[in-house]
Amino acid sequence: GENVEQHPSTLSVQEGDSAVIKCTYSDSASNYFPWYKQELGKRPQLIIDIRSNVGEKKDQRIAVTLNKTAKHFSLHITETQPEDSAVYFCAASPPRGSARQLTFGSGTQLTVLP
Amino acid sequence: NAGVTQTPKFQVLKTGQSMTLQCAQDMNHNSMYWYRQDPGMGLRLIYYSASEGTTDKGEVPNGYNVSRLNKREFSLRLESAAPSQTSVYFCASSEVYEQYFGPGTRLTVT
Repeated sequence: GENVEQHPSTLSVQEGDSAVIKCTYSDSASNYFPWYKQELGKRPQLIIDIRSNVGEKKDQRIAVTLNKTAKHFSLHITETQPEDSAVYFCAASPPRGSARQLTFGSGTQLTVLP
Repeated sequence: NAGVTQTPKFQVLKTGQSMTLQCAQDMNHNSMYWYRQDPGMGLRLIYYSASEGTTDKGEVPNGYNVSRLNKREFSLRLESAAPSQTSVYFCASSEVYEQYFGPGTRLTVT
């Protein structure tokens, strides 16, 4: 099955700096790669996703890049703010059937220091 | 719209007890999922249901059973709880891509 590795496990940045989180996946058939943000004690919420037919997607301060050849994808957050502090999870999913079986990375605790 | 709801929010069980976690969604989604989340780990898929009437095993199904009661509801049952099942359980639903998560159930097995 799919295996997703995520690095780093913790990341501290100064407010206004950029943050980058990287993930690798093992199943070359995977074609959907979402990123979830989870605040302490809350549910995971989708912040951005990318499908394998594109190499990059941006949404305001957040961007995701995908390299299918190398089987890795990254989350980029620019101009970080204290409210960006949370745990971020990447995930990957192959196209098997109508349900999306997500395999998650182990998470990155991002701390934005004021 | 309430989205995805889960009950209970918290539960403490003794080893060997059974219980059912309830999940409901009001978004008319076809697919529903159960995950568990342990400290230092991402979410792991226990079972999923691609549509009403179907269920399939995920990555960590041992010790659990599920029922897709109707399109709205998907329950997770622990027949004989074990301390290794202490975790936070999240239900999710989706139509095509994005999965919407419920608030979670924090389960402790002593």
